[in-house]
Amino acid sequence: DQQVKQNSPSLSVQEGRISILNCDYTNSMFDYFLWYKKYPAEGPTFLISISSIKDKNEDGRFTVFLNKSAKHLSLHIVPSQPGDSAVYFCAAHYSGTYKYIFGTGTRLKVLA
Amino acid sequence: NAGVTQTPKFRVLKTGQSMTLLCAQDMNHEYMYWYRQDPGMGLRLIHYSVGEGTTAKGEVPDGYNVSRLKKQNFLLGLESAAPSQTSVYFCASRPGPAGPTQYFGPGTRLLVL
Repeated sequence: DQQVKQNSPSLSVQEGRISILNCDYTNSMFDYFLWYKKYPAEGPTFLISISSIKDKNEDGRFTVFLNKSAKHLSLHIVPSQPGDSAVYFCAAHYSGTYKYIFGTGTRLKVLA
Repeated sequence: NAGVTQTPKFRVLKTGQSMTLLCAQDMNHEYMYWYRQDPGMGLRLIHYSVGEGTTAKGEVPDGYNVSRLKKQNFLLGLESAAPSQTSVYFCASRPGPAGPTQYFGPGTRLLVL
């Protein structure tokens, strides 16, 4: 039973355009959602997070939106750059615990 | 400040052999984690530790043991490796209760023949 789902395995976007990566979850006990970026042969690196009490968080070119009623979050990258090409993981943190649930990742390719 | 480091980067084992993966962090973080990543799956938690001398089971702990004798180190042991343990292993650390961000190491690629 996947509690955090990234239904798009891959996404291609033209340089300069917006990239939108999506993540759905099923458990209302998550209190934080995080996005990680992963290059080949490297570990995931933290990108941006959002508390479950917020609906938007912005950091430079990256914005995460949270729709609690739909149990859906999305990561917007504007403008997309070739260096953004990587696998993006969505993760959810269980309130009051030390545990996280990760999605399966979306491979983003930004075309120059 | 090296962050989170993992040793070794790559290893090949034969079925039944044992090995220890080492994770070290120099950020004075309280919490440490071991994950495995398999194709088409998200990172799955093997074991974690919330402080020196403490460990707990995660989602997929069978076949693995861990120890956290020093705050900065978290060891993952495979007593008798199986082909199903072929995977990429990531260690992560987190400062503590305040803030959910985890910091990951570069990974160890393990192949069990």
